[in-house]
Amino acid sequence: GDSVTQMEGPVTLSEEAFLTINCTYTATGYPSLFWYVQYPGEGLQLLLKATKADDKGSNKGFEATYRKETTSFHLEKGSVQVSDSAVYFCALSDEGAGGTSYGKLTFGQGTILTVHP
Amino acid sequence: GAVVSQHPSRVICKSGTSVKIECRSLDFQATTMFWYRQFPKKSLMLMATSNEGSKATYEQGVEKDKFLINHASLTLSTLTVTSAHPEDSSFYICSARPIAGGGAPSYEQYFGPGTRLTVT
Repeated sequence: GDSVTQMEGPVTLSEEAFLTINCTYTATGYPSLFWYVQYPGEGLQLLLKATKADDKGSNKGFEATYRKETTSFHLEKGSVQVSDSAVYFCALSDEGAGGTSYGKLTFGQGTILTVHP
Repeated sequence: GAVVSQHPSRVICKSGTSVKIECRSLDFQATTMFWYRQFPKKSLMLMATSNEGSKATYEQGVEKDKFLINHASLTLSTLTVTSAHPEDSSFYICSARPIAGGGAPSYEQYFGPGTRLTVT
């Protein structure tokens, strides 16, 4: 079945540091890929997405590129802020091209990011 | 826009009792709602997919008689944990997917803030 693997956390950075959170996936079809963020005490929010190979999703300074050849969707940000402290989840939906699953999401285990001033 | 609420936000119940959790889409209609369980420091595990007006589809290993799901309207789904036991203590999260043309992108899922269930 489909699966998502994220780098182990927690990740602790100083403000303005460069961030990479690795994510790789296994899927039988052509999934869509997502990064969700969960701030303390809040629900998950979609951060960015990519629906086909070589697409780049971006939002709030975060970027991730859908790499089919390496089955990866690594999250990057050039300069993190304290307000970026949260849990980040990589996810896939098998409702890519030709999918009919109503958008079921398979999540990675989540990576806790803490940014210090 | 595209707000999903859950009620209650946290609940404590005694072993053997049943607890109902509500998930509402506040400003859009959702034909599909999903129920997840989140364990501490672990990912979200999809429990079931709920489509309005039909029976929920449960993931492998999830007891449908224990976790009753009702999706009676386009804005409300409920999860009832029957005869709860301490091992059912967890964080339960719902998400809702808008219908096409329903006021929010239908490709997205919008998540509720979660319900913390503690069974004593």
